[in-house]
Amino acid sequence: AQKVTQTQTSISVMEKTTVTMDCVYETQDSSYFLFWYKQTASGEIVFLIRQDSYKKENATVGHYSLNFQKPKSSIGLIITATQIEDSAVYFCAMRDDMGYKLTFGTGTSLLVDP
Amino acid sequence: EAAVTQSPRNKVAVTGGKVTLSCNQTNNHNNMYWYRQDTGHGLRLIHYSYGAGSTEKGDIPDGYKASRPSQENFSLILELATPSQTSVYFCASGDAAGGEGTGQLYFGEGSKLTVL
Repeated sequence: AQKVTQTQTSISVMEKTTVTMDCVYETQDSSYFLFWYKQTASGEIVFLIRQDSYKKENATVGHYSLNFQKPKSSIGLIITATQIEDSAVYFCAMRDDMGYKLTFGTGTSLLVDP
Repeated sequence: EAAVTQSPRNKVAVTGGKVTLSCNQTNNHNNMYWYRQDTGHGLRLIHYSYGAGSTEKGDIPDGYKASRPSQENFSLILELATPSQTSVYFCASGDAAGGEGTGQLYFGEGSKLTVL
């Protein structure tokens, strides 16, 4: 069975700094997909970025990037030049090779202070 | 823009009553999902579907049923609601992660259910 673990429950950083959120996963599949989602204070959940397990290059979208360490089953989210509006809960998620079931971690709450 | 809408957005039910949460998507996605969100647990998968007429059990299906009568609609049914089912429920739709698909899920706004 798949499992996704986020051990950081909350992080507080100053605006314009860089923050890294950790995520480790467990799977028996040789091919899988990893995602990060953001939940805003209003409850809206939006997709941020994705990493395919067979790709060696770390994915980057805007000021979000990933630190994919396959041997360690780790997929960290890096946010550079943080902004106040980055304050939210961030979820790591994994999707199996069949592409149907998406398993989420418990989330990390990020607070960006001015 | 992909759209997933849930109804009702808020619901108060009594213990033992029947509750139906509805979800409609206009994305023409094959896959649809029901999650519940509770503090300390993140998002947990209840049921999912990979097409009209199909339903599959997720990680916490006990006490819930699902129905997918069409590509657009996916319902979550609580036949005998209990206070432990008080939660926020999210519906989502998405395509396959492989091939041309992005694997991205589009979420509804959430439905807050309180069972007294």
